[in-house]
Amino acid sequence: QSALTQPPSASGSPGQSVTISCTGTSSDVGGYNYVSWYQQHPGKAPKLMIYEVTKRPSGVPDRFSGSKSGNTASLTVSGLQTEDEADYYCYSYAGSNNFVFGTGTKVTVL
Amino acid sequence: EVQLVESGGGSVQPGGSLRLSCAASGFSFSTYWMSWVRQAPGKGLEWVANIKQDGSEKYYVDSVKGRFTISRDNAKNSLYLQMNSLRAEDTAVYYCTTNVYGSHDHWGKGTLVTVSS
Repeated sequence: QSALTQPPSASGSPGQSVTISCTGTSSDVGGYNYVSWYQQHPGKAPKLMIYEVTKRPSGVPDRFSGSKSGNTASLTVSGLQTEDEADYYCYSYAGSNNFVFGTGTKVTVL
Repeated sequence: EVQLVESGGGSVQPGGSLRLSCAASGFSFSTYWMSWVRQAPGKGLEWVANIKQDGSEKYYVDSVKGRFTISRDNAKNSLYLQMNSLRAEDTAVYYCTTNVYGSHDHWGKGTLVTVSS
């Protein structure tokens, strides 16, 4: 199972929005609504930010939103804040009890 | 508060074995699917294995099938990963996670496994 494709980096100024894409196939992202997103700060464990494509766990700011179109899922961070600077990973069910993460995107707040 | 605390990591030679443990607290452990996820140094995340609430179903990434075994003891609120025939490419931080709706909603801090001669 190949990793989902994410851009290596993305950036924005404080207050701006940044969108991260996660491209897979009809066998993973496009085939199921089990896409989730994780934020990871350096040296820390990942944190769930979005699950089931669009849902936010309790405590995650509504500045974070998820969507999906075809084989590509997206995470949008609106109103960027300095603490949003981190690595972000998408994750999807890939059928036959397999799961796959994305390649990861480093978000920089300029 | 959900707590997941991994232990058992360390250095091992190629071909060796290690058993990782994860002590869970703050939630009803026996009602959750559980998982192991790993991250090689400076690299991305990789799902390793899942186990159903009662241990009756277990699934693995292809690269560890036949070498790793996930298990749990609900009476002890503990998750395990038995790792045999270890390879250099298994070097990573191993995270214990709860698994809900196809996502990993709680994570431990991880334990480092280093496979090197």
